Amino acid sequence: EVQLLESGGGLVQPGGSLRLSCAASGFTFSSFAMSWVRQAPGKGLEWVSIISDSGDSTYTADSVKGRFTTSRDNSKDTLYLQMNSLRVEDTAVYHCAKYVVATITPAFDYWGQGALVTVSS
Amino acid sequence: QSVLTQPPSVSAAPGQKVTISCSGSRSTIGNNYVSWYQQLPGTAPKLLIYDNSKRPSGIPDRFSGSKSGTSATLGITGLQTGDEADYYCGTWDSSLSAVVFGGGTKLTV
Repeated sequence: EVQLLESGGGLVQPGGSLRLSCAASGFTFSSFAMSWVRQAPGKGLEWVSIISDSGDSTYTADSVKGRFTTSRDNSKDTLYLQMNSLRVEDTAVYHCAKYVVATITPAFDYWGQGALVTVSS
Repeated sequence: QSVLTQPPSVSAAPGQKVTISCSGSRSTIGNNYVSWYQQLPGTAPKLLIYDNSKRPSGIPDRFSGSKSGTSATLGITGLQTGDEADYYCGTWDSSLSAVVFGGGTKLTV
């Protein structure tokens, strides 16, 4: 059974940093691209980043570019999101999501329940 | 403002059919495949459709997807009260090099 479990969320002041982790199990983690998608309270889905299966390639949304860094450790089956210079508008539930196999356009077939990040003074 | 445009809400009676539209541009839907997600209250999104019309295993054939030009449509037949949820379309934006989602559509049954 595929499982994605996020951790590392919490309350942080504006300008602060936080690192989210996503522990994967139930599939060959190193064979799949992974993504972070966030959802502000009461709002829709907003894509944050995607990282290739090897970790050599990443794409990041303009809204977080230069502040957020996505990485992975395939030896630990874990995805990371390093968030720096956090802003109030970064407040959201952050989901990690697994890329669908054999599709050209990104689509995500498994999602974690999410980690809540609250940026507030 | 989302790159993909969806109606904020749709409604239909139990047993009926409903369609949800998703409008984009040449750089989004026009040149890429579309996926659809269902998000029940308080839960993570669930993939319903990918590559415009493919269903993952376990998704009933009551759910269908189609694409024409720069628009896509999700169809749901035999509506059940358990289908009440928010539905999102998603694709790749070739101009932005980014995944984009629609603003979401709330389905009331």
